[in-house]
Amino acid sequence: DIQMTQSPSSLSASVGDRVTITCRASQAIYNYLAWFQQKPGKASKSLIYAATSLQSGVPSKFSGSGSGTDFTLTISSLQPEDFATYYCQQYYSYPLTFGGGTKVEIK
Amino acid sequence: QVQLQESGPGLVKPSETLSLTCTVSGYSISSGYYWGWIRRPPGKGLEWIASLYYSGSTYYNPSLKSRVTISVDTSKNQFSLTLSSVTAADTAVYYCARGDPYPASAAETYYFDYWGQGTLVNVSS
Repeated sequence: DIQMTQSPSSLSASVGDRVTITCRASQAIYNYLAWFQQKPGKASKSLIYAATSLQSGVPSKFSGSGSGTDFTLTISSLQPEDFATYYCQQYYSYPLTFGGGTKVEIK
Repeated sequence: QVQLQESGPGLVKPSETLSLTCTVSGYSISSGYYWGWIRRPPGKGLEWIASLYYSGSTYYNPSLKSRVTISVDTSKNQFSLTLSSVTAADTAVYYCARGDPYPASAAETYYFDYWGQGTLVNVSS
């Protein structure tokens, strides 16, 4: 199985901050990497697919980068609605696996 | 707008079978895409359980394969999960989701682009 290691597991940030979350795969997954946002009691929201492609309707403050084993999700200017937990998912091979999540909290 | 909604019992007894249904609105399952189940045990990470393609192909996590069945009812625009012989370790929030295979790969994999809110299932006597 491909292990996805996400860091940090949590972070505190202020409105307006630039936030970077990383995801590392235990083997090369090319660009088969997605990011999504999860809030309690709400449907998760897809943000990025194919490592760098912005999902339709997602604001451009979200961006993804990376290829191979190392990937990054960046939020350019954190807004109150962005406080949530973020996950990466690899879809290079089965079984599909997820990172452990990064909880973004208000400082 | 594609929406998914999980339904099923919130409490299942040990050794019994857990059954969940995902009702899809805003998109016809028989039109395409993959459809899957994912879970998150309390205090643990997300675990992919199983998926199916609209045409009927199924995919299972080897760690659960012996106990899991995924099926589809296109007439109701629903797909379902059964997990047999449950234990306390199967207590989790269960999510259903749609899988988008972009970019297409020989491995027939996908990322999840639409999710349900999740439903908590407790396994307890």
